[in-house]
Amino acid sequence: DVKVTQSSRYLVKRTGEKVFLECVQDMDHENMFWYRQDPGLGLRLIYFSYDVKMKEKGDIPEGYSVSREKKERFSLILESASTNQTSMYLCASSWTTVDRLGEQYFGPGTRLTVT
Amino acid sequence: KQEVTQIPAALSVPEGENLVLNCSFTDSAIYNLQWFRQDPGKGLTSLLLIQSSQREQTSGRLNASLDKSSGRSTLYIAASQPGDSATYLCAVPPGNTGKLIFGQGTTLQVKP
Repeated sequence: DVKVTQSSRYLVKRTGEKVFLECVQDMDHENMFWYRQDPGLGLRLIYFSYDVKMKEKGDIPEGYSVSREKKERFSLILESASTNQTSMYLCASSWTTVDRLGEQYFGPGTRLTVT
Repeated sequence: KQEVTQIPAALSVPEGENLVLNCSFTDSAIYNLQWFRQDPGKGLTSLLLIQSSQREQTSGRLNASLDKSSGRSTLYIAASQPGDSATYLCAVPPGNTGKLIFGQGTTLQVKP
């Protein structure tokens, strides 16, 4: 079974703190993604990566950065946490071939509260 | 720009009923379509992936169909059970990068 794990299920941070969210997948997937999910706004893509050291902005990258130093690990960084970044953060991974896209698998999510 | 719509937003049915959830998308040039389930406060669980060349996929009591020309997919749940209560989301990739565009979801409640 594909497994995507996230470092924390719940996290409480103060405004201005630097926050690291870690995601690890064990299926050698090329693609990894960070989404946030908010009531009424649905799932929105923050950043994604299709290879080690590669990253692409999603729909809402402002206030976030990412790092992918190893294929299995994709980190989301909140440079200076703000209350409007309180949300559920979901990591996902998938495979790609020349002409096909594989299933996207999600981690359990991190509920981040910024006070 | 690809848009994904799911109607209805919420659905309540008695146990044992067969039901259909709908998903529509505006751009028919898709690689695949994926259905997910999400329980409250949890991550998404992949249910079914339909490649663009397929018409349907089945897994247990679930059957998903895809009609690219009309921009529609349906998720059929047979003999619904209270444990099926969850939010169901469909998603399509806008290109071949693997990223997904999600619908807002249909929240299903199956009453015993």
